Amino acid sequence: RKEVEQDPGPFNVPEGATVAFNCTYSNSASQSFFWYRQDCRKEPKLLMSVYSSGNEDGRFTAQLNRASQYISLLIRDSKLSDSATYLCGGGNQFYFGTGTSLTVIP
Amino acid sequence: EAGVTQFPSHSVIEKGQTVTLRCDPISGHDNLYWYRRVMGKEIKFLLHFVKESKQDESGMPNNRFLAERTGGTYSTLKVQPAELEDSGVYFCASSEGGGAAYEQYFGPGTRLTVT
Repeated sequence: RKEVEQDPGPFNVPEGATVAFNCTYSNSASQSFFWYRQDCRKEPKLLMSVYSSGNEDGRFTAQLNRASQYISLLIRDSKLSDSATYLCGGGNQFYFGTGTSLTVIP
Repeated sequence: EAGVTQFPSHSVIEKGQTVTLRCDPISGHDNLYWYRRVMGKEIKFLLHFVKESKQDESGMPNNRFLAERTGGTYSTLKVQPAELEDSGVYFCASSEGGGAAYEQYFGPGTRLTVT
């Protein structure tokens, strides 16, 4: 079983929609997780850290659910510029999911 | 502040040749990581330096890969001899602290194609 798994999508949503991604992790001792955004043929860019208490930054909210061993990313009021691949990463070593593709449609 | 830089951005070599990738971390970041992404797969950890020491090299695929970080500044990753399956994008990242608790900042990657 992979350390970090996420639904590859693709997610195609209209502008203004709310969309949520989840990642599951296998190691219950894992402490820290992050969400990265990766545009086509570019490097991953840190989007936000994920805390048990939740982390909100504008339209983006990240959450860590230790009981169910998953992390989530919620994007509200989607913009065209949000179209990208979203990677979750973390664990005791640094593991990444395969990424979830999001396309926001006008 | 300058970010993580990598050189070259692209490299096309023939099977059996040698290639050396370079990474310059963010100034002051003692921790440096190498990752690889093969097409269609997830980004995979290769190794982690703390200053000039290898903290964790459990992700290195085999002894054809050699990473160095002399002086604890920039790092090189040499592949010798290259095989077809080594093709992919090699990312370098750096962080202030070590381990998965710290945010890592990625370089633009080196796209390696072995023909």
